[in-house]
Amino acid sequence: QMQLVESGGGVVQPGRSLRLSCAASGFTFSSYGMHWVRQAPGKGLEWVAVIWYDGSYKYYADSVKGRFTISRDNSKNTLSLQMNSLRAGDTAVYFCARDTSTYNYGMDVWGQGTTVTVSS
Amino acid sequence: SYELTQPPSVSVSPGQTARITCSGDALPKKHAYWYQQKSGQAPVLVIYEDSKRPSGIPERFSGSSSGTMATLTISGAQVEDEADYYCYSTDSGGNPRGVFGGGTKLTVL
Repeated sequence: QMQLVESGGGVVQPGRSLRLSCAASGFTFSSYGMHWVRQAPGKGLEWVAVIWYDGSYKYYADSVKGRFTISRDNSKNTLSLQMNSLRAGDTAVYFCARDTSTYNYGMDVWGQGTTVTVSS
Repeated sequence: SYELTQPPSVSVSPGQTARITCSGDALPKKHAYWYQQKSGQAPVLVIYEDSKRPSGIPERFSGSSSGTMATLTISGAQVEDEADYYCYSTDSGGNPRGVFGGGTKLTVL
């Protein structure tokens, strides 16, 4: 069945970097846009970034633009999120999610999330 | 920046109809998606493209959209429907970023 599995979360100091990965299986990864969504403790969902099916376009939330980079490797069915200059406010569960289309319409398949804690 | 507005909470008795609204200026041009999230779990898609229901989602879940407001309706709400519900859409500008509403806590008791 369709599955997304995130990895790479952990505890990191402010100002440092972390790279998240999302392994996809059970569907043709290269045919779908992919998103990262996060949820801070006790807060709502926050959209972070999207990458189109072929990697040609990427869009970011203002809160992470210039610090985070979304990328994908369609040969390895893998989505990544490079997070630089991390702040306490980036502490959250990070979910990867598949779009219903090749672009950015909305998500239909979600992973279980990986936790990122930014703390000194 | 673009925003979607939801009521913080909605409360109904079992068997009643629950309606959760989502307002946003771009909704006349962009579809709304609805997600259910129970505590400690990943979100689940319950409505896509304003009114379509994914396979496996009970028929009591329905969606509609008119003008700048989208609505999720749960007809005959069950205790197991108690959860947080989020609407999602995209900005209509040249930079199609995503945005979630603030979420609505549905209480069924």
